[in-house]
Amino acid sequence: KAGVTQTPRYLIKTRGQQVTLSCSPISGHRSVSWYQQTPGQGLQFLFEYFSETQRNKGNFPGRFSGRQFSNSRSEMNVSTLELGDSALYLCASSLSWTGTNSPLHFGNGTRLTVT
Amino acid sequence: AQTVTQSQPEMSVQEAETVTLSCTYDTSESDYYLFWYKQPPSRQMILVIRQEAYKQQNATENRFSVNFQKAAKSFSLKISDSQLGDAAMYFCAYSKKGAQKLVFGQGTRLTINP
Repeated sequence: KAGVTQTPRYLIKTRGQQVTLSCSPISGHRSVSWYQQTPGQGLQFLFEYFSETQRNKGNFPGRFSGRQFSNSRSEMNVSTLELGDSALYLCASSLSWTGTNSPLHFGNGTRLTVT
Repeated sequence: AQTVTQSQPEMSVQEAETVTLSCTYDTSESDYYLFWYKQPPSRQMILVIRQEAYKQQNATENRFSVNFQKAAKSFSLKISDSQLGDAAMYFCAYSKKGAQKLVFGQGTRLTINP
């Protein structure tokens, strides 16, 4: 079974631009979460989606948004990029939203560099 | 708000030896989950072990075991017979029961010396 697939693997953008990252969950998984990983702040929760609905959102500005499609694939968008948005963005999927018996399976991440 | 603290930024151990990574957390919830994740240079976070707070028995997965002290809010990971492939960043994480959101610690970089 294929794992969580994130594309692209690497991205370089300029301040002020916008970017879209993609995540394809494991087949059959309906829940997708996104995390930002930086050396200074560590791993921080961005959003969680289940059945195309955002179930939970972290403490990030409105420039960060996401969505989930009917096939459970998810995208996250960052508008008006800032230097501080440079990070590894990790996507994780699981079978269910409750999480009680469904551990998160992570992708390899997208490394975003903002110059 | 829940917090997770890993006080050891770096640890090293000789191959085949045992090492223990520390983690403490803070929560007002009574039912929750605790996890240890491993992140090798490939960047993919891999679940090592999971503990349900209402279960008294410490979780074990082959060479990996935890020491869960609920009253002390402590959750340490013991790696026995360390192997070169165990070298990675290790993250302790917390989630409330019924929620997918993970709260991570800052991580411990584990080096295995041959």
